[in-house]
Amino acid sequence: GAVVSQHPSRVICKSGTSVKIECRSLDFQATTMFWYRQFPKQSLMLMATSNEGSKATYEQGVEKDKFLINHASLTLSTLTVTSAHPEDSSFYICSARSTVGANVLTFGAGSRLTVL
Amino acid sequence: AQRVTQPEKLLSVFKGAPVELKCNYSYSGSPELFWYVQYSRQRLQLLLRHISRESIKGFTADLNKGETSFHLKKPFAQEEDSAMYYCALRGDSGNTPLVFGKGTRLSVIA
Repeated sequence: GAVVSQHPSRVICKSGTSVKIECRSLDFQATTMFWYRQFPKQSLMLMATSNEGSKATYEQGVEKDKFLINHASLTLSTLTVTSAHPEDSSFYICSARSTVGANVLTFGAGSRLTVL
Repeated sequence: AQRVTQPEKLLSVFKGAPVELKCNYSYSGSPELFWYVQYSRQRLQLLLRHISRESIKGFTADLNKGETSFHLKKPFAQEEDSAMYYCALRGDSGNTPLVFGKGTRLSVIA
């Protein structure tokens, strides 16, 4: 079945640094990927929709200059948290929809970011 | 606007008892509804979707457009069903993302 890989699974960084999270579709091509954020004991909140070859669409309240999304190929989308602050600490999850088949999303295992 | 409501944060049932996880939605068009499950220390995975009309791991869910509900049911809960369950909605226009409810943690007690 479809597999989505996220890397790194855990990252700890100092305040002010930037962190890049990769989301790869391993055995299928994904024209669209979605980035979610999950706070402890809360639901997944959609951050942005990443479209291959075009600019990402950000949800209201999500700073596009802070959360840079690049979807340069059909198998890779990256989320860069720029100038990270402790409040950016969270669980970031990507999901991808295959170019072939039904409208089912496959999720990555998530990346836990801790900003010190 | 799309909205998914799961009124229960936590649901505890005894093994063998029936389970119903509630989900209500708000959407003006014809949505597609899903249930996702997240077992401990595992990634989110699709459990079932309303258009498939299938039973997965003994779970079923029927879309009730009149009540705008998509409750998840299982007649006899098993300990391995303990997990976090999320109801999600996808709109009917273009390449829309999933909108999730806040989730319900199901705890099945032996």
